Amino acid sequence: GQNIDQPTEMTATEGAIVQINCTYQTSGFNGLFWYQQHAGEAPTFLSYNVLDGLEEKGRFSSFLSRSKGYSYLLLKELQMKDSASYLCAVIDSNYQLIWGAGTKLIIKP
Amino acid sequence: GAVVSQHPSWVICKSGTSVKIECRSLDFQATTMFWYRQFPKQSLMLMATSNEGSKATYEQGVEKDKFLINHASLTLSTLTVTSAHPEDSSFYICSARDEREGTYEQYFGPGTRLTVT
Repeated sequence: GQNIDQPTEMTATEGAIVQINCTYQTSGFNGLFWYQQHAGEAPTFLSYNVLDGLEEKGRFSSFLSRSKGYSYLLLKELQMKDSASYLCAVIDSNYQLIWGAGTKLIIKP
Repeated sequence: GAVVSQHPSWVICKSGTSVKIECRSLDFQATTMFWYRQFPKQSLMLMATSNEGSKATYEQGVEKDKFLINHASLTLSTLTVTSAHPEDSSFYICSARDEREGTYEQYFGPGTRLTVT
């Protein structure tokens, strides 16, 4: 079966750095997305990785290792508004998006 | 980036009535749209994949006769919740897949909060 694992919940301090990991086992791979979802709102796009390596975009970076079936989202200089759920999703060989359950990130002052 | 709209943003209806939710891709054509449901403090759950000009593909456990999906054009898909019951109260989110760039990214609508009384 297809499976995406990410921690259920993480806590970090304002101004710090946090890394949210995602491991996946899917039938084929055509890319990995990270989405941010605030409570009561729809998900918004953060990043897309299809090749190995690190993609940096401002305070957020996303890393992919296809051989290890592993990705992480790195958030720097955390702000209170970063408190949200972070969803990892993989496009499989049928171009279907397989979702992880999401990681709820709690930022403390 | 691409924009997806959803209407209405919220709706309250009585048990036994039907509710239609519209999902539109505003600046791109979407062959494929997706309908999700999300209960409080739970993850997104894919209900069905909507393909323009053909029947929707429903996920296991989702009643196709209760959740009617129509994808009549490349910019519009509708979800009709028929004979709604209080347990259908949820946050319904649509997304449209943008295939222009080859990334198959999904753009989400803002969601529709349905409350059935």
